[in-house]
Amino acid sequence: EAGVAQSPRYKIIEKRQSVAFWCNPISGHATLYWYQQILGQGPKLLIQFQNNGVVDDSQLPKDRFSAERLKGVDSTLKIQPAKLEDSAVYLCASSIHRGDYGYTFGSGTRLTVV
Amino acid sequence: GENVEQHPSTLSVQEGDSAVIKCTYSDSASNYFPWYKQELGKGPQLIIDIRSNVGEKKDQRIAVTLNKTAKHFSLHITETQPEDSAVYFCAASYPGTASKLTFGTGTRLQVTL
Repeated sequence: EAGVAQSPRYKIIEKRQSVAFWCNPISGHATLYWYQQILGQGPKLLIQFQNNGVVDDSQLPKDRFSAERLKGVDSTLKIQPAKLEDSAVYLCASSIHRGDYGYTFGSGTRLTVV
Repeated sequence: GENVEQHPSTLSVQEGDSAVIKCTYSDSASNYFPWYKQELGKGPQLIIDIRSNVGEKKDQRIAVTLNKTAKHFSLHITETQPEDSAVYFCAASYPGTASKLTFGTGTRLQVTL
């Protein structure tokens, strides 16, 4: 079974620029998560999708972050404009359905904002 | 919301020794406690989990114990090997959050020869 695919693996941008990350979950997984992992910390949930609907985005900084999951498969996470404190690894994960704890994480995108 | 504390932040053991990592959680309603292993450049990987109706679970060299009264749970790794070197995260989830996980801050385990 193919895993969760993420791209790019690394991204360096200047502050105030915009950036987008892409995630392709495991085939058939209805639930998709974006987590932010700042260096030295545990992952923190940004947004959770069930198919193409948002389940939880309470910790998403909506003034600069946006995410979508068109057609209930691939997802993109965007930051505009980026701040220095957005430097982190952005992890995508998927599970078969909402309430299923069998997460599979992707390898993440490491973002550096300079 | 839930808060998870994890100790120690770093742990160094000799190959063959045991390693123990401890976590405490704040919300007594939490009912699911997974442990993840994260190797350099990779995403976290689930290694073992426990639900609140169970006090202990074991899988080969790895075991997890849960004390609901004290609201803490621990990861035990016996007969450690160099390939166990990684960052380990505990997490907790409670009903109604649709499997949202709150993670601890991580423990960097180094197994030396």
